[in-house]
Amino acid sequence: KAGVTQTPRYLIKTRGQQVTLSCSPISGHRSVSWYQQTPGQGLQFLFEYFSETQRNKGNFPGRFSGRQFSNSRSEMNVSTLELGDSALYLCASSLVASSTDTQYFGPGTRLTVL
Amino acid sequence: SQKIEQNSEALNIQEGKTATLTCNYTNYSPAYLQWYRQDPGRGPVFLLLIRENEKEKRKERLKVTFDTTLKQSLFHITASQPADSATYLCALAKGGGADGLTFGKGTHLIIQP
Repeated sequence: KAGVTQTPRYLIKTRGQQVTLSCSPISGHRSVSWYQQTPGQGLQFLFEYFSETQRNKGNFPGRFSGRQFSNSRSEMNVSTLELGDSALYLCASSLVASSTDTQYFGPGTRLTVL
Repeated sequence: SQKIEQNSEALNIQEGKTATLTCNYTNYSPAYLQWYRQDPGRGPVFLLLIRENEKEKRKERLKVTFDTTLKQSLFHITASQPADSATYLCALAKGGGADGLTFGKGTHLIIQP
């Protein structure tokens, strides 16, 4: 069974631009969660989607948004990029819920904002 | 606000000994607690999940305890090996899918041969 895939793996943007990251979950998994990881703050929860609906949202500004498609694939978008958005963005999938099921993480997208 | 604390200092353990990592939390009543392993440049890998009504869970050389009175979880690796060297993260969640996972910042474990 193929694991969680994320594209692109690396991305360099400049301040003010926007970016879209993509995540393909494990086949059959309906929950997709997104996290931001930085050396200072660690791994922080962004949002979780289940059956195309946002189920939970972390404490991030509205510049961070996401969506999930009918095939469970998910995208997250960051608008008006700031230097502080430089981070590793991780996507994880689980059968139903991140809190109660085994969560499988992708390799992440390394975003650098200049 | 809710807070999760893991030892920020690296933990050095001699090969063959038992490594014990601590996860403390405040202002939180989690229904589920998970432990993950993360290697440099990779996403975390799920290890164990324990529920609030479970005191202990085991998987091969791994053991997790969950004490809701002390608000603490202990993660043990017995007969540790250099390959166990990694960063270990604990994560908490409330019941009913009420929120996503809240992660600690992790403890870097080094197993010395």
